[in-house]
Amino acid sequence: GAGVSQSPSNKVTEKGKDVELRCDPISGHTALYWYRQRLGQGLEFLIYFQGNSAPDKSGLPSDRFSAERTGESVSTLTIQRTQQEDSAVYLCASSLLDRTGGQYFGPGTRLTVT
Amino acid sequence: GQNIDQPTEMTATEGAIVQINCTYQTSGFNGLFWYQQHAGEAPTFLSYNVLDGLEEKGRFSSFLSRSKGYSYLLLKELQMKDSASYLCAAGYSSASKIIFGSGTRLSIRP
Repeated sequence: GAGVSQSPSNKVTEKGKDVELRCDPISGHTALYWYRQRLGQGLEFLIYFQGNSAPDKSGLPSDRFSAERTGESVSTLTIQRTQQEDSAVYLCASSLLDRTGGQYFGPGTRLTVT
Repeated sequence: GQNIDQPTEMTATEGAIVQINCTYQTSGFNGLFWYQQHAGEAPTFLSYNVLDGLEEKGRFSSFLSRSKGYSYLLLKELQMKDSASYLCAAGYSSASKIIFGSGTRLSIRP
């Protein structure tokens, strides 16, 4: 596709359940980022993938959060034992290595934990 | 830390000019981004400054001073559709990520 895609667009889950969010970056973009955005707030960095290098996981808020990326393509963000404070929009972005063209964001997944 | 500071809210009049300021920590800094985010939508890229000075792109311009840890986004000939949040984000070489500010919510009045 032409842009970054994410699925699902909306996810409602019960507290304690696990969820998996998917991101398909732009083809050729070696860098991939996950962010969390709570209502009315800025973007909170979660994790960064660059090619085959070890990911930068320094933004993950707890060990309930994990992410994987297959080569330079699809990435999945998994949240285990969801809590109500996990409710937010989860944004994925991809970019070229040199970032000069900025990051291209997907439409996000709106997660609601009830 | 790598704090990014920008005003929370600003209001301006249609047709006027507005400047949104951003300050960041300079240690390890290697570039400054500006993004526009309309309510309920994903951010879209506006500009990327690496060198000092002003870069103009249509009605929008972005300025960077690396020594001062300061940037601004200048919006000219404001239109109602410019009502949005404007996010300042800094890239750092020591960490493989881009740090975002909380955003400036800009409201345009007729």
